[in-house]
Order: sequence, then C-alpha cells, then structure tokens
Amino acid sequence: NAGVTQTPKFRILKIGQSMTLQCAQDMNHNYMYWYRQDPGMGLKLIYYSVGAGITDKGEVPNGYNVSRSTTEDFPLRLELAAPSQTSVYFCASRPLTGELFFGEGSRLTVL
Amino acid sequence: AQSVAQPEDQVNVAEGNPLTVKCTYSVSGNPYLFWYVQYPNRGLQFLLKYITGDNLVKGSYGFEAEFNKSQTSFHLKKPSALVSDSALYFCAVRDYNFNKFYFGSGTKLNVKP
Repeated sequence: NAGVTQTPKFRILKIGQSMTLQCAQDMNHNYMYWYRQDPGMGLKLIYYSVGAGITDKGEVPNGYNVSRSTTEDFPLRLELAAPSQTSVYFCASRPLTGELFFGEGSRLTVL
Repeated sequence: AQSVAQPEDQVNVAEGNPLTVKCTYSVSGNPYLFWYVQYPNRGLQFLLKYITGDNLVKGSYGFEAEFNKSQTSFHLKKPSALVSDSALYFCAVRDYNFNKFYFGSGTKLNVKP
C-alpha cells in the first residue's frame, strides 16, 4: 500500500540548475497538490490539479511548473533554481471529499 | 480570503495532563477543518476532520477537536498527554466551494515526563 510516493528524498542543486521532483499516487485520487514547507511558516501551496490535464496556481507558483498527464503522476519542475527555493517539498492527494494524504517529502538545497 | 491562525508556536505540558492546541480560521463559506501531525523528517499524518454534524470530533490516538462556529475555532484536545505525542501539529481549512487547503504555521507540542 504505497500511497503517495515522492522522489528524490534529498537533492542538492547549484544556482541556475533545473530539476523535476516526482510524485506518484496509487489511490486513484483526482486531486493532487504540491506544497513547500519552510521553518515556522507552515505549508504554502505551489500548484494543484483537479484531474489529468488540469492544473492551477497556488499561493507561491513563481519559479515552478507542473504537468498532469495521468491521474497517478504530478511532477513539479524547478527551472533556474535559486537559493530561495531551498525547502522541503510535499506532494499530497485526496479523494473527492476528504483529507489530504501526504508523501514523505523531498528536501531540496540550492547552493 | 481563507486563512488559519495557530497563535502558539509551542505548547508545553506534563505527561498525563490534558493538552489543548489552538486554531482559528477564516473562510468565506462553510469550512472543512483538519488537524495533522508531523514527526521529525516525516510527512504530515491526518488526525481528524470536521465536515458537518457533531461539533466534537474524535480522531486518531485519542485526540479530539471541537468546532465552534461563533468563535471560528477548531481547537485540538487530548485528555491525557503522552510523551510520544510530542510533535508538530498543523491545523488546516478548506472552503467547501474551493479546492485549496490552507495551513496554519504549526504548533510544536512538547510533552515532558
């Protein structure tokens, strides 16, 4: 029973590099979300999706892109990484009515 | 605008004593309210939710929360704290008309033996 799987768990990037954080869920949830967690700041919504082919911006979308080609996968792309993107990133999914199910997080450091 | 406030960065209680972690919210419509717990270097785990019905909601690990519409609050409670309850707790709200969840800044609960 995998739930929400995020890869990689840890990554160090140099300023200006790009990368993709992967997220996959096996619960057939339509709704998927990307959050970032900074110390003392709670979770901020980056992007979310209500189904395959449909995405929308959250509170802090600048510097990120997403796609949703399948129900299962919701990758987050960082273009031109900046130190301000150093954070812990969480992917989550949910059924139509109900709570969020979170992955274990991806810790990203930009140097 | 939707928002959640957790007024206490940290709550300290002795093991065996009751605990309360506070949460107030603001939504334009009817709220869906949630509590999550996060252990170090882990993802968030769901504790309980209020959607509709009874104002007192019971959840995992002996936790409960009371929805108070007039005070726009959803405080998390437990009658007898355990050392293993020490963790970071997040309150979250979703306006039922919309798809976004908004989280508070978190409250660190310390339970001392």
